[in-house]
Amino acid sequence: DADVTQTPRNRITKTGKRIMLECSQTKGHDRMYWYRQDPGLGLRLIYYSFDVKDINKGEISDGYSVSRQAQAKFSLSLESAIPNQTALYFCATSDRTSLGHKAEQFFGPGTRLTVL
Amino acid sequence: GQQVMQIPQYQHVQEGEDFTTYCNSSTTLSNIQWYKQRPGGHPVFLIQLVKSGEVKKQKRLTFQFGEAKKNSSLHITATQTTDVGTYFCAGEIKAAGNKLTFGGGTRVLVKP
Repeated sequence: DADVTQTPRNRITKTGKRIMLECSQTKGHDRMYWYRQDPGLGLRLIYYSFDVKDINKGEISDGYSVSRQAQAKFSLSLESAIPNQTALYFCATSDRTSLGHKAEQFFGPGTRLTVL
Repeated sequence: GQQVMQIPQYQHVQEGEDFTTYCNSSTTLSNIQWYKQRPGGHPVFLIQLVKSGEVKKQKRLTFQFGEAKKNSSLHITATQTTDVGTYFCAGEIKAAGNKLTFGGGTRVLVKP
């Protein structure tokens, strides 16, 4: 969806470099997520945030950190990139639901990161 | 931790034929969602199932949630070339903090 944007779309970097991936949304959603996608492994959750003051680790948070600068912005950082962090990274957003059930997630276009 | 498994990982289908992809969870799910990712694209939400035994249809796609809320299936009839892509199921487990756990996906290739 154009409502969720990610920058950069592609990035090649070297081992040891610090990298920041940015995500912005105009959907007005409280909840934001960062996933990485590797072939055959689906989407694995790195970090998620249910509002500006709430940050939670996902299943593969080691080596990553995040910052929720505003409701609309959620950044993912790799403090010291390593080759096995080469992957496709997706940001996603979702809204709260009145019934308490998970709302659908809206994904950004993805960032393809290569660490040499 | 909780796991969501999908089979098959790959599905080659002749155009016009039917196929089914299956999703199984190691724990009971609060609900399950299905997403489709076209080649080079991003995942797009298809549907959410909440009730035990629930069946929902979207044109040629039929989604089912198991009675025990631990498995789900997606059945596509009369496959078309527009069905090409990877289909993911994603389960929510309440005890896991209201976040989704995605299956590995079924990559569908259609032979014309």
